[in-house]
Amino acid sequence: DQQVKQNSPSLSVQEGRISILNCDYTNSMFDYFLWYKKYPAEGPTFLISISSIKDKNEDGRFTVFLNKSAKHLSLHIVPSQPGDSAVYFCAASDRGSQGNLIFGKGTKLSVKP
Amino acid sequence: NAGVTQTPKFRILKIGQSMTLQCTQDMNHNYMYWYRQDPGMGLKLIYYSVGAGITDKGEVPNGYNVSRSTTEDFPLRLELAAPSQTSVYFCASIPSGTGELFFGEGSRLTVL
Repeated sequence: DQQVKQNSPSLSVQEGRISILNCDYTNSMFDYFLWYKKYPAEGPTFLISISSIKDKNEDGRFTVFLNKSAKHLSLHIVPSQPGDSAVYFCAASDRGSQGNLIFGKGTKLSVKP
Repeated sequence: NAGVTQTPKFRILKIGQSMTLQCTQDMNHNYMYWYRQDPGMGLKLIYYSVGAGITDKGEVPNGYNVSRSTTEDFPLRLELAAPSQTSVYFCASIPSGTGELFFGEGSRLTVL
């Protein structure tokens, strides 16, 4: 029973265009959402997060949107760069979880020059 | 600035052998976690600790043990290695119970 779902295993985008990565969740208790980026043979690195009291958070080229009624969040990367090619994990937690994160399966983004 | 350090990076074990994956952090974080990642899957929580002397089970604890005698160290023990434990293991830490986790580079374990 997956609580965090990333239904697209892979995404290919042209350099300079927008990349949109999607994530759905089922647990209405989740109140904090994060995106992690992972390169091969490295640990995941934090990218951006959003609290459930917001619907948008922006950091440079990265923007995360949260739609609580749809239990859906998305990560927008504009403009996409070849160095953005990596696996992106969506993760979620709730206040009672002691910081434990529930991860999606990841989406592999390829940005072609 | 080391952050979260895991050793070894790679290890091959035979079925039934035991080993310990080491994890240490130099950020004085109270909370530490062990996750495993299987191919094509997300990370799943094995064990976590909210401070020295306190540990608790995560989603997939069977076959593993942990201890937390100091704030810095959180070793993960495999007592009787099984092929199902072939995975990449990640240790992570966080100052308190909310926020983004800081991950180590991972330890790739193969059980044959």
